[in-house]
Amino acid sequence: DAKTTQPNSMESNEEEPVHLPCNHSTISGTDYIHWYRQLPSQGPEYVIHGLTSNVNNRMASLAIAEDRKSSTLILHRATLRDAAVYYCILGDSNYQLIWGAGTKLIIKP
Amino acid sequence: NAGVTQTPKFQVLKTGQSMTLQCAQDMNHNSMYWYRQDPGMGLRLIYYSASEGTTDKGEVPNGYNVSRLNKREFSLRLESAAPSQTSVYFCASRMRAGVETQYFGPGTRLLVL
Repeated sequence: DAKTTQPNSMESNEEEPVHLPCNHSTISGTDYIHWYRQLPSQGPEYVIHGLTSNVNNRMASLAIAEDRKSSTLILHRATLRDAAVYYCILGDSNYQLIWGAGTKLIIKP
Repeated sequence: NAGVTQTPKFQVLKTGQSMTLQCAQDMNHNSMYWYRQDPGMGLRLIYYSASEGTTDKGEVPNGYNVSRLNKREFSLRLESAAPSQTSVYFCASRMRAGVETQYFGPGTRLLVL
């Protein structure tokens, strides 16, 4: 079973920031938090990952709660091309990714 | 640099037929994976190969077999297809098991009648 909980869908306006939440209350001390996204009719692509500290890259930022039981993916300025399903994922003891259903992000022009 | 490639892109099978899905990566990755994705769902791991010469079952291995042909190629075989195997199949690779990024192929859409 997926170890994360995400809203089924979210809407945002183009060129505004988007905050995608994820709950992972059973996270262990060694679990990394991974985010992938899947554009329509494509394979998933990596977005960002982190362990304890907040992380930034060219695509997004990842804010991790101090107790690590939740995290938030931040898209600083959403475009229509960011419309996708976003997956928040933890790994199991063999480092395999356990996928949930994700959040469908809808961007309104 | 093609990344991860999969063939075929689409396939229609009749119940009981067999077929092999092919996957190749040109990134010199050690680990390779096969997932399936049913409509509205996340990915589920079928089999994986942590390194050349090894394969292990994932979450949903029943009805499938795999072969790690060499470091580049990892194939998935359906010996006797069933309608429940109608799905989109994704192959992925990463440098090694761990926290490294997984890179995905474009997927194979399979319909079993």
